[in-house]
Amino acid sequence: GAVVSQHPSRVICKSGTSVKIECRSLDFQATTMFWYRQFPKQSLMLMATSNEGSKATYEQGVEKDKFLINHASLTLSTLTVTSAHPEDSSFYICSAPGTGINIQYFGAGTRLSVL
Amino acid sequence: GESVGLHLPTLSVQEGDNSIINCAYSNSASDYFIWYKQESGKGPQFIIDIRSNMDKRQGQRVTVLLNKTVKHLSLQIAATQPGDSAVYFCAENPPGGTSYGKLTFGQGTILTVHP
Repeated sequence: GAVVSQHPSRVICKSGTSVKIECRSLDFQATTMFWYRQFPKQSLMLMATSNEGSKATYEQGVEKDKFLINHASLTLSTLTVTSAHPEDSSFYICSAPGTGINIQYFGAGTRLSVL
Repeated sequence: GESVGLHLPTLSVQEGDNSIINCAYSNSASDYFIWYKQESGKGPQFIIDIRSNMDKRQGQRVTVLLNKTVKHLSLQIAATQPGDSAVYFCAENPPGGTSYGKLTFGQGTILTVHP
């Protein structure tokens, strides 16, 4: 089946630094990808929709200048957490839709810890 | 706003028992529902899906039931095994157009299977 690769799987950074997370569709093209955030023992919350060749669309309450999204090609979307703070510590997960019915393929997630 | 929710946040069963995980949804326009399994530190894994024109769908050891009258979904796992221990999420996908692929996840149920 389709595979979505996410990198890195875990990152620890100092407060104030920026962190980039990559999401790749390995054997299919994705004009759209989705970024979710998940806090411990909570559900996944959609942050934004990444669109190849155009600007990302953000969900209400998500700061676009804080969470920069770039969909550089049909197989790669990146999420950059700028000037990260401890409250940004979370599990970030990307997904890409397959063809046909509305199945989403999820990456393995990135655990971000901001010290 | 409309959302997808779960009745039971935790469920403990003995190995070999059948498990039933429930989910209530409120968006009557949703026409596609998915169950995901998420193991600790990993991304969601597709289990089974169902369209709104169906009321039951079976997979390998899993069955999803949809009751549109009361807006209720359930996931039944037969002969539950320790490897089934995980968090289970239902998700709904609203009708197409700009909302395509934008999943709304339920609260999640932690399933623990005791040997």
